[in-house]
Amino acid sequence: DQQVKQNSPSLSVQEGRISILNCDYTNSMFDYFLWYKKYPAEGPTFLISISSIKDKNEDGRFTVFLNKSAKHLSLHIVPSQPGDSAVYFCAASDGSARQLTFGSGTQLTVLP
Amino acid sequence: EPEVTQTPSHQVTQMGQEVILRCVPISNHLYFYWYRQILGQKVEFLVSFYNNEISEKSEIFDDQFSVERPDGSNFTLKIRSTKLEDSAMYFCASSYLRGGSDEQYFGPGTRLTVT
Repeated sequence: DQQVKQNSPSLSVQEGRISILNCDYTNSMFDYFLWYKKYPAEGPTFLISISSIKDKNEDGRFTVFLNKSAKHLSLHIVPSQPGDSAVYFCAASDGSARQLTFGSGTQLTVLP
Repeated sequence: EPEVTQTPSHQVTQMGQEVILRCVPISNHLYFYWYRQILGQKVEFLVSFYNNEISEKSEIFDDQFSVERPDGSNFTLKIRSTKLEDSAMYFCASSYLRGGSDEQYFGPGTRLTVT
């Protein structure tokens, strides 16, 4: 079951630069998308979400872009900080089912 | 800031034993969830709970699993007879609104080790 895919298991960027994390989905019923950050031995922490009626949502340093035709979303972090180093999960749900379907995660390392 | 709490942080049990994992969701939230993550795998949905009943469950959530909200604050996951393959991190989550625009907030997890 690969309904939500994060094809890059890891990403390294320099402090102050932009981090771009990508996510693809196959289920056209998904209409709500979320990004979570996870540190070791902690639960996922909600970062930002986007509804399928939008193509962009911004919150401080975090921006999520949604391309419905390509079934693709991305998370931009600008500027990246060392404290952003964590595993980032993309998740999706459809309006009728509350369960979240997660991607496999991308380990982001921000180098000082 | 309100947060979801879970106890214990680590539970070791023998195969065939019953375990109960406990969660205290955020107090004004109405929807409650259990997810699990087997080491090296994705976070997987188990069950959602609303208005004192299960609203959705996955194929993983078989007859060995049950959930309960025994009082106004706790939300529990019981595994009746644990198997080796139940070893995983179990995450509780809660959310306020049903529909497409709410977010689920996760607890820190319980690491279950079945020996």
